[in-house]
Amino acid sequence: QPVLTQPTSLSASPGASARFTCTLRSGINVGTYTIYWYQQKPGSPPRYLLRYKSDSDEQQGSGVPSRFSGSKDASTNAGLLLISGLQSEDEADYFCAIWYSSTFVFGGGTKLTVL
Amino acid sequence: EVQLLESGGGLVQPGGSLRLSCAASGFTFSSYAMSWVRQAPGKGLEWVSAISDSGDNTYYADSVKGRFTISRDTSKNTLYLQLNSLRAEDTAVYYCAKGWNQGKYGVDVWGQGTTVTVSS
Repeated sequence: QPVLTQPTSLSASPGASARFTCTLRSGINVGTYTIYWYQQKPGSPPRYLLRYKSDSDEQQGSGVPSRFSGSKDASTNAGLLLISGLQSEDEADYFCAIWYSSTFVFGGGTKLTVL
Repeated sequence: EVQLLESGGGLVQPGGSLRLSCAASGFTFSSYAMSWVRQAPGKGLEWVSAISDSGDNTYYADSVKGRFTISRDTSKNTLYLQLNSLRAEDTAVYYCAKGWNQGKYGVDVWGQGTTVTVSS
């Protein structure tokens, strides 16, 4: 079982909200880790969106709009990325990551389609 | 402005070697951990290696351990990745990335990447 699991795809309408999940493998407690989120558009390097450990320990990437936010769901052992007020330019791949066991582990990524 | 500029990619035969470089500017290079992350064509991101701010500590993905070596030259503000015993599955865009804060290995700023193609 992978360390981080992300749904392959997500679709949402312009103006709506999109909720991305990053589920940690059983036995790895989401509360312990900082979750990093990245956005990648075709032909471009990843862009750092934010990191989230708790409400008191989070950071927005430089120039990242406030409609991007992070949180956690302890009940499902998942890190969450929420994008509100979706725009067509948000269509991209989204990756989560954690620093785990002396390695930086990425999830497989979720492709967001804005339609 | 923080900038990372990779170079050194190219076409190499299986079993061959390459050295990638990443020139850093706009921040105090010696104060931040650095990483290499790669992305095979049409695939997701795969972390490759990281090095501490001092260079004393290095970390590797199992897939490259024993074949790749990360290093840094503070006098040149440059990060390196030596790739040996290359395989077809090492074909990817290689990105260098900066730790988000001093002593932290999670990355924030990324370079544009350099492409490595392993093929005969």
